[in-house]
Amino acid sequence: NAGVTQTPKFQVLKTGQSMTLQCAQDMNHNSMYWYRQDPGMGLRLIYYSASEGTTDKGEVPNGYNVSRLNKREFSLRLESAAPSQTSVYFCASSAPLGTQGGYGYTFGSGTRLTVV
Amino acid sequence: DAKTTQPPSMDCAEGRAANLPCNHSTISGNEYVYWYRQIHSQGPQYIIHGLKNNETNEMASLIITEDRKSSTLILPHATLRDTAVYYCIVRVGRSGYALNFGKGTSLLVTP
Repeated sequence: NAGVTQTPKFQVLKTGQSMTLQCAQDMNHNSMYWYRQDPGMGLRLIYYSASEGTTDKGEVPNGYNVSRLNKREFSLRLESAAPSQTSVYFCASSAPLGTQGGYGYTFGSGTRLTVV
Repeated sequence: DAKTTQPPSMDCAEGRAANLPCNHSTISGNEYVYWYRQIHSQGPQYIIHGLKNNETNEMASLIITEDRKSSTLILPHATLRDTAVYYCIVRVGRSGYALNFGKGTSLLVTP
């Protein structure tokens, strides 16, 4: 059971280049999320998808677009990368915990992106 | 969402219990208390969560006060590998509700 898989793990882009960060989960979770984490900071929500076919903006959506390709996959696209987008990007998914109550959130290991 | 307040940093000697406090005085009746940790820029890792009752699992114990305005995460026998940033997050249990991360508590376990 792989959980949440993110690719690539590392990427260096030049200013103005575009790229897509991939995220896939194999836990049949309905909801998926993209966060960014800058040095010494907590995680900030970029976009989320409550269920297949829906996406919504989070706290810091500017400069990003997302696609919920199917229930498993949620991609994050940078159309024109800027140095301010240098960060570590985490994907997560969530599902109800049944008898425990609440929701379980599982995170990927991150993509480390540098824009020069 | 209820806001949480955590100390920015704490130290703990290896083998001793680490008690990490969290204040959430504006918590609503349907909000859960979640604890996650992040070890050296890895993805956040789930530790434990609860609604009203105290909870225990193989990693930690969660003590929630009767008025639910504060909680304490207890790592009973801290090891060097428990050095991490610990996040206390309050959230309703509904689909599509993202966890909101603050700055957490940086726990340093020393030999």
